[in-house]
Amino acid sequence: GAVVSQHPSRVICKSGTSVKIECRSLDFQATTMFWYRQFPKQSLMLMATSNEGSKATYEQGVEKDKFLINHASLTLSTLTVTSAHPEDSSFYICSATTGTESTDTQYFGPGTRLTVL
Amino acid sequence: AQTVTQSQPEMSVQEAETVTLSCTYDTSESDYYLFWYKQPPSRQMILVIRQEAYKQQNATENRFSVNFQKAAKSFSLKISDSQLGDAAMYFCAYSGYGNKLVFGAGTILRVKS
Repeated sequence: GAVVSQHPSRVICKSGTSVKIECRSLDFQATTMFWYRQFPKQSLMLMATSNEGSKATYEQGVEKDKFLINHASLTLSTLTVTSAHPEDSSFYICSATTGTESTDTQYFGPGTRLTVL
Repeated sequence: AQTVTQSQPEMSVQEAETVTLSCTYDTSESDYYLFWYKQPPSRQMILVIRQEAYKQQNATENRFSVNFQKAAKSFSLKISDSQLGDAAMYFCAYSGYGNKLVFGAGTILRVKS
C-alpha cells in the first residue's frame, strides 16, 4: 500500500522559534497533500490543501503567514510553523493523494507532535 | 458546507460481540464518498472502509460493514466479532468535490475482555 512518512515524529521548541515538518510520499507521486491539526481527544481539522507547484489553499481561520506550506515536488510537502507559541502545540498530520477527485483515497502520515515551551 | 456528526462520544463492547457506531452527515452534493477511519493509540490514521454514494450496496471489509442510508444521510459502522485490537478512536468522514475530508468528532471504542 501507499506509504506516507513524516519527520520529525516529535519536536519540542522554544517560543518564538520556527519549526519545519516534512511529509513525504514514499512509493507514489502525490499530486495533492493535506495538512491537518488535531488537539487531544478531538477530531482532525483541515488546515490547508497543497498541490505540487502551486500555492497552498488555506481553510478559513488558518493564518497562512504563520503556517507556511511548500509542495515543491511530487513527493514532498513541508509545513513550517513560524514564530511558534504554546498555543501552536498540537498534533500535525499530513495526508497525500494522487489526484483531486473525491474518488482518490488519502493516505495519512504518522503525525508529528509539536510542543512549544 | 458539509458536516459530519457522530453522536456517540464513547462505546463499549465485549470481546467477540457486535457493536454499531453511528454517523450522520449533511450535504447538498450528489456525488461523494464516505469513510470510516480508525485511530489507535499510535495515532496513525487507518482506513477501515469506504462507501461510494452512488452505490446502493453496503460496503463490507471482513468483520467491518456499513449501513448506508442515503436518503436519511446515515452511515453507520458495524464491527462483528470484536477484538481487543479494535479498540481505538473511530472517525466517520465525508469527501466530496475537491477531495477534502470532513471528519466527525469521533467515537472512542473500548473492547472488554
